[in-house]
Amino acid sequence: AQKITQTQPGMFVQEKEAVTLDCTYDTSDPSYGLFWYKQPSSGEMIFLIYQGSYDQQNATEGRYSLNFQKARKSANLVISASQLGDSAMYFCAMRDYNYGQNFVFGPGTRLSVLP
Amino acid sequence: EPEVTQTPSHQVTQMGQEVILRCVPISNHLYFYWYRQILGQKVEFLVSFYNNEISEKSEIFDDQFSVERPDGSNFTLKIRSTKLEDSAMYFCASSDGTGFQPQHFGDGTRLSIL
Repeated sequence: AQKITQTQPGMFVQEKEAVTLDCTYDTSDPSYGLFWYKQPSSGEMIFLIYQGSYDQQNATEGRYSLNFQKARKSANLVISASQLGDSAMYFCAMRDYNYGQNFVFGPGTRLSVLP
Repeated sequence: EPEVTQTPSHQVTQMGQEVILRCVPISNHLYFYWYRQILGQKVEFLVSFYNNEISEKSEIFDDQFSVERPDGSNFTLKIRSTKLEDSAMYFCASSDGTGFQPQHFGDGTRLSIL
C-alpha cells in the first residue's frame, strides 16, 4: 500500500531564510508522481510543485524546489527566501500508476515564518 | 487562471438530512475528484469520476454518498443521510488527463453537521 510520511508536524523559519520540509514515501510501483500542496489558514489547497519518478532533474518552481532522492524514497520541499505569506500547512502527496488516479496525502507540516 | 469553484463555502445541516455539495471543475478537464479533510487531519480520497462514471472510490465512499455530473459544467457530491462524523472540509479537484497531472483543488466546502 502507498504511504506518505511527513515527520515534522511543525516547523519555524526566519523570514528570508530557506527551509526544508521532509517527505518520505513508500511504493512498490516504479512509476509514480510526487506533489506538494500548500494549505493556508483560509483552507484552500494550492498546488506548488510536481516530481515524476523518471524525471532526471529535481523540479523547481520559483522559490520552490524539490530535493528528490529516489533511492531514499524522499521528496523534500525546499522553500528559499521564506516570506510571511508562506506560513501554512504543507502536504506531500503521491500518485502511483497502479494505484489509480487518486492522491494519497501525508499528514502535513505546519510552517510558521517568523518576522 | 482557470480555477475550480465550489459552493457553498460553508454548509450547516441537521443530522439525517441530505446535503449536496457543488463543484464547477476547470472547463477542459476530464477527471474529477472529491476529497475530504476532517479538522486537523490529512486529506482523504473519496471518489474519482471520468466519462460520466465513477472510476475509483475509497472505503469512505459508502452507500450514503453519490456523485453526479448533471450537466456539462457541474459536478456534485450528495450525502444522503448525514452523520455527525461527516463534518469535514470537502474538496473538489479536477485534472486534465491521465498520467501524473496535478489535480487542481477548489477552495472547499466546510460541512458542519449538527
